[in-house]
Amino acid sequence: KAGVTQTPRYLIKTRGQQVTLSCSPISGHRSVSWYQQTPGQGLQFLFEYFSETQRNKGNFPGRFSGRQFSNSRSEMNVSTLELGDSALYLCASSLAHLDGYTFGSGTRLTVV
Amino acid sequence: AQSVTQLGSHVSVSEGALVLLRCNYSSSVPPYLFWYVQYPNQGLQLLLKYTTGATLVKGINGFEAEFKKSETSFHLTKPSAHMSDAAEYFCAVTRGTSYDKVIFGPGTSLSVIP
Repeated sequence: KAGVTQTPRYLIKTRGQQVTLSCSPISGHRSVSWYQQTPGQGLQFLFEYFSETQRNKGNFPGRFSGRQFSNSRSEMNVSTLELGDSALYLCASSLAHLDGYTFGSGTRLTVV
Repeated sequence: AQSVTQLGSHVSVSEGALVLLRCNYSSSVPPYLFWYVQYPNQGLQLLLKYTTGATLVKGINGFEAEFKKSETSFHLTKPSAHMSDAAEYFCAVTRGTSYDKVIFGPGTSLSVIP
């Protein structure tokens, strides 16, 4: 079966711009979580969506937002980009909380 | 609050030697624990998990981990390292409800020397 698909794989944006990242979970998975991965901070939890509702949120500024559609696909948006937003953004889906995640390959965002 | 520490940001082993990657957790309630592996330019892949039952858990690629409540540890081992095991390994912890976050440790980079 198809895995978790994240698009695009690579992005280069300028400070102040906004960006939207997309994630298609494994078919049947209704939970989608987003993480930011950087060399200095490791994996930081952004938010989780379940059946179109945000179920949990990490400690990121309001510039980071997300949503989930009825087909479980999810998007995250970062507005007013800063240099420090450069990171690998990982999406993960799961069928149940204790099943563990299936991760996508990530979107590498570079802000210049 | 939950947290995860991984002793050693970088571990080197010789091919064929024992792999031991350390993970200690902090949790006020019974934890649920996971190990993930990340190869370069890829997402993370689940290696194994402990939820309930047997404390010695076997995973993919010959890895196993043992949950020791008294030591608050969940160390990952493999009897004989292979070159293909070179990757970043992450330990993660969560609690039992679907509203609990999954918290990842900082990761350990494993190098395998031929």
